[in-house]
Amino acid sequence: DGGITQSPKYLFRKEGQNVTLSCEQNLNHDAMYWYRQDPGQGLRLIYYSQIVNDFQKGDIAEGYSVSREKKESFPLTVTSAQKNPTAFYLCASSIALSHYEQYFGPGTRLTVT
Amino acid sequence: AQTVTQSQPEMSVQEAETVTLSCTYDTSENNYYLFWYKQPPSRQMILVIRQEAYKQQNATENRFSVNFQKAAKSFSLKISDSQLGDTAMYFCAFMKPLTPNDMRFGAGTRLTVKP
Repeated sequence: DGGITQSPKYLFRKEGQNVTLSCEQNLNHDAMYWYRQDPGQGLRLIYYSQIVNDFQKGDIAEGYSVSREKKESFPLTVTSAQKNPTAFYLCASSIALSHYEQYFGPGTRLTVT
Repeated sequence: AQTVTQSQPEMSVQEAETVTLSCTYDTSENNYYLFWYKQPPSRQMILVIRQEAYKQQNATENRFSVNFQKAAKSFSLKISDSQLGDTAMYFCAFMKPLTPNDMRFGAGTRLTVKP
């Protein structure tokens, strides 16, 4: 089955630690995205990538970093510089940056204490 | 900047009945896409329906249909014959063509379908 996988579903970390969230897709999509979801708010874009070895900041990139070394993978690192890291994180992909339809993964709930 | 407003934080409907979720948006663009996404308790976002602004005909997908009022900048979702599996958060989203990196989401409406 083609789709997007995110692991783990729940992640717990101590304050001050960096943590990396995994996102893998086997849809052969060029573009990938990371969103953050907070209660009572819509999704906000953190980073996006339209092709391997290229990525751009979204609206709330501060305190986050990404890499895109392979087409299938777009990991997100939440650094200790992110002031409020506890949130639900969603990864998505689309055929290309020019294509409107995004497919979403199941998400990772990150809790930092 | 484009904004998307969903004025109903929560709604409920009896099974088999019809419910309408509201969405308004603000833009100066003439051509754009509008979407309704469903996020069930599993939290995976699923595209329910989309509407291209240049199309006057309202989009329909089985029990889901939209009422697109371009002049009023309104984009409501009607769910007919509601089913228990329709219980979810519903997000309205706006996107300009060729800029999926700039998709704007509303805050969501939590819909509960009651047996």
